[in-house]
Parts: sequence; C-alpha cells; structure tokens
Amino acid sequence: DAGVTQSPTHLIKTRGQQVTLRCSPKSGHDTVSWYQQALGQGPQFIFQYYEEEERQRGNFPDRFSGHQFPNYSSELNVNALLLGDSALYLCASSPIQGGDEQFFGPGTRLTVL
Amino acid sequence: AQSVTQLGSHVSVSEGALVLLRCNYSSSVPPYLFWYVQYPNQGLQLLLKYTSAATLVKGINGFEAEFKKSETSFHLTKPSAHMSDAAEYFCAVSDANQGGKLIFGQGTELSVKP
Repeated sequence: DAGVTQSPTHLIKTRGQQVTLRCSPKSGHDTVSWYQQALGQGPQFIFQYYEEEERQRGNFPDRFSGHQFPNYSSELNVNALLLGDSALYLCASSPIQGGDEQFFGPGTRLTVL
Repeated sequence: AQSVTQLGSHVSVSEGALVLLRCNYSSSVPPYLFWYVQYPNQGLQLLLKYTSAATLVKGINGFEAEFKKSETSFHLTKPSAHMSDAAEYFCAVSDANQGGKLIFGQGTELSVKP
C-alpha cells in the first residue's frame, strides 16, 4: 500500500517565478492538506481540500492556491515567488470519515533564489 | 484559537536515560493531540495520538504520552533512550472536527549521547 507521495523532491526557482507541487494521497484517503515548514520551525497549515473544494485555509496570501482532482490527488501553486517562500512543503492525507489522523508525505524542498 | 508550546527547542539525553519532551496546548474546544517525529530530510511520522479516549496513550517505538486536562499538557516520554531516537519531535493540536487542520509547536530536537 503506497503512502503519500509528492513530486518533485527538490526544486529551485528564482524570485517572481511560479511553481506547482504535486501530491498523491494514501490509498483510501479523500482529503488532502498542505503545510509549509520553514527551516527550524514547525509546519504551518496552508489549506485543505475535500471533494475538489477548499475546506479550510490558513493565514497565507492568495499567491498560494490549490486544486484537487477527481482521483483525490492535489496540486499546490505558488505565484510571484519570494525568498521567504523557501521551505519544505508537506502534503498530508486523511479519510474524511474518522479523519483524525493525517499521514504525511516526504515533502518537496523549494529553494527560491 | 488553538496553540501549542513546546518547552525546550533542544533536549540532550544519554543512551538509556529517560526521555521527556514537554508540550502544553491551548484550545477552547476538546482537543485532539498528536506527537510526530521527523528524521532529517524526511516527512512527519505519527508517534501517537489522543482523541478523548484513555488519557495515557501508548505509541510506536516505546513512546507514550499522558493527557492532563488540568495542566493543559501532553508530555512525551520514553523510559530508555536509544541512539535511533535522535530526531525532531513535534506536538500538534487539532479540534474535534474530523480531518481538521493541525497546529504544530516549534519542535524539540532530541540528541542522544552514547
């Protein structure tokens, strides 16, 4: 049983560019959440998707947007990249029924130069 | 609003010694509480969770945590540290809403000396 997978593993971009990160949830899971983990800090919630709609959103600007596909996979898009967007981006999945536990992927390391 | 405070950004213990990582939470609703571990360059792995059942929760790798409502605490312990326990540990809280967002503490780095 495959767990949560994310791609790419690493990414280097320059300021002002746009980036798309991808996530496939654990089999049987229909809810996907995205977190940003800056160096030396705990993860911060960006948003959560269920039934292809954003259910909850953290305190992140509109430059951060997402999408969920019918197969439950998800994308995180960040526009107009800033140096401060450099971080590890984590995807987590859970089942909407009994979904108190979130399973995390290995993350995508984004570096903005 | 919910929040988590982890006391001590770095804890160092000797192999075989007791591990105690502290976590205090703030929540206006009954909380769900979690401990996650993160090894270098990896994602988060769930150690254990409290979801309003037994207050003493046993997790993987010999870890356990006790939910104390009166102290708003959820400290993580392990009787005997192993070298492989060296990692970053995060305490997190969510509300009882299924699949709700996790609020994480700043993390505690555990070092284990031989």
